[in-house]
Amino acid sequence: AQKVTQAQTEISVVEKEDVTLDCVYETRDTTYYLFWYKQPPSGELVFLIRRNSFDEQNEISGRYSWNFQKSTSSFNFTITASQVVDSAVYFCALSERGVGDDKIIFGKGTRLHILP
Amino acid sequence: EAGVAQSPRYKIIEKRQSVAFWCNPISGHATLYWYQQILGQGPKLLIQFQNNGVVDDSQLPKDRFSAERLKGVDSTLKIQPAKLEDSAVYLCASSPDRVSTEAFFGQGTRLTVV
Repeated sequence: AQKVTQAQTEISVVEKEDVTLDCVYETRDTTYYLFWYKQPPSGELVFLIRRNSFDEQNEISGRYSWNFQKSTSSFNFTITASQVVDSAVYFCALSERGVGDDKIIFGKGTRLHILP
Repeated sequence: EAGVAQSPRYKIIEKRQSVAFWCNPISGHATLYWYQQILGQGPKLLIQFQNNGVVDDSQLPKDRFSAERLKGVDSTLKIQPAKLEDSAVYLCASSPDRVSTEAFFGQGTRLTVV
């Protein structure tokens, strides 16, 4: 069965610090997709990134970067030089490519507070 | 491109009453999801449609929850009768594909059952 674990329930850092959000997943499939979503106080889930299981290249987008390691089943998310606007709940999610089992499963989320 | 539209944004009902939520997905998106997000938790999938057929409803409490997607476009989620533990945000999402593409979410309907 699919499972996504975000062990950090809540993190607080001072603005301009770097912060890493951890995500560990479990899947029996060799083909799967990992996602990160941001949920600001407004409530709408905003898509940040998708990574498929065959692409282990790390990705950088501005101040955001993602580290995907199949060997440890982890897909961690780092914000560099954090800003107050980064304050939100961040969700890691997993989807498998399997008949009848391709739903997107979310972790419980990490609430990130960026303090001015 | 218009996003996923949901209504109402907020709803307060008494327990044992019924309620319905509406979702209009992004045009052309074949897959539609309904998620329940209880305060402090991640979204939990209730039901997934592919066009107008149900792909997964394994976590839908079918004794009280029902959903339909007529003509493979708009969808409604109904709760009858509501319980206190149904208080949550109900999120609708859509995607072009079942697995490989990200889901786009609406703003959700916040339901309070008193």
